Amino acid sequence: DAGITQSPRHKVTETGTPVTLRCHQTENHRYMYWYRQDPGHGLRLIHYSYGVKDTDKGEVSDGYSVSRSKTEDFLLTLESATSSQTSVYFCAISGDARDTQYFGPGTRLTVL
Amino acid sequence: QKEVEQNSGPLSVPEGAIASLNCTYSDRGSQSFFWYRQYSGKSPELIMSIYSNGDKEDGRFTAQLNKASQYVSLLIRDSQPSDSATYLCAVTSAGGTSYGKLTFGQGTILTVHP
Repeated sequence: DAGITQSPRHKVTETGTPVTLRCHQTENHRYMYWYRQDPGHGLRLIHYSYGVKDTDKGEVSDGYSVSRSKTEDFLLTLESATSSQTSVYFCAISGDARDTQYFGPGTRLTVL
Repeated sequence: QKEVEQNSGPLSVPEGAIASLNCTYSDRGSQSFFWYRQYSGKSPELIMSIYSNGDKEDGRFTAQLNKASQYVSLLIRDSQPSDSATYLCAVTSAGGTSYGKLTFGQGTILTVHP
């Protein structure tokens, strides 16, 4: 299995609070991605990174920001959580843009 | 907007039968195609990747790609109850500034009954 961990694995928070999810990899892969998965919408890309300090927006980036200060860590921040951000969040990594993406175990976030 | 469509499910097949999963995509520039399997409450795991037209076989799984028809499929032979899961088709247009961004289909739920 690809060395990807996500923390926390579960979180319950209240509307309006900031939340940071962490993705950590031990594979030294260049590309990292954040997705959310919701019933009826499948997996959707939030943000991605193609190198340290190189990030860009995905399909559903509103309300989210990211940072990547070192190769192994990719942080996703919900600046002011809303109930619509209740979801399962997956991090993925890839060594090359054409290659397979390997997914982390996911974080289940509930915003009350 | 780039779209990936999968055949509507759920799909139910008897044990030992062939399960056929289909996917069409809208972006003609797409270059990499993936099938992931996802068990309930788990993360997606790669089943097959395919990059060129034709068939690619791996054990009981065969992926088929037809870029002219913008169509990719997954066949599962000798289906087993352990194959029961959601199957996700994913497409990326590598090169340029795509950075390997995946577009996923909605998924097809497969149930293999004994």
